[in-house]
Amino acid sequence: DTAVSQTPKYLVTQMGNDKSIKCEQNLGHDTMYWYKQDSKKFLKIMFSYNNKELIINETVPNRFSPKSPDKAHLNLHINSLELGDSAVYFCASSLDRDQETQYFGPGTRLLVL
Amino acid sequence: QKEVEQNSGPLSVPEGAIASLNCTYSDRGSQSFFWYRQYSGKSPELIMSIYSNGDKEDGRFTAQLNKASQYVSLLIRDSQPSDSATYLCAVRGTGGFKTIFGAGTRLFVKA
Repeated sequence: DTAVSQTPKYLVTQMGNDKSIKCEQNLGHDTMYWYKQDSKKFLKIMFSYNNKELIINETVPNRFSPKSPDKAHLNLHINSLELGDSAVYFCASSLDRDQETQYFGPGTRLLVL
Repeated sequence: QKEVEQNSGPLSVPEGAIASLNCTYSDRGSQSFFWYRQYSGKSPELIMSIYSNGDKEDGRFTAQLNKASQYVSLLIRDSQPSDSATYLCAVRGTGGFKTIFGAGTRLFVKA
């Protein structure tokens, strides 16, 4: 059983398109995260939700909008995709917001052409 | 100054040697420190966490923390080719629930 899953695994799209990435965890965790990892392997936090409440909202363009329909799911919608959005996007979860051990999903490799 | 700094490498060591990976951080009030391993094309996985000054050992891995120097390191004894990966240092600072990751050090273990 996959603990943290993401779909799709690969996403190739044109500039200007809108796309969504979905994340689900079956660990019973309260807290979920979105990270962006660029070509230099730098892993940067974007958002975090705890029990459907937004607790971390880093300085990212407002073209990025997270949505958490329940505590097991955290989706990421990106409007008007740009070349610089090309990266690997990782979803992660932790038991709660005070538990620092994070479990990462397999990543979604986004390429914007 | 970056919040968490690591030498990007690559660090190349022969099989059986000790690999030493280093990390410095800027938030003096940080309390929680982690080492994640990331194989090429895969997701990060936690291998060590450390919260107190000194050494913490787990199998072939030893994490070392010196809060006064704002320095954390990871030693890998008897390095194996399967240890070849990028090692990410991560620090939970005083600014909320955020964990800050370094850019990672690439390690190559030569057979």
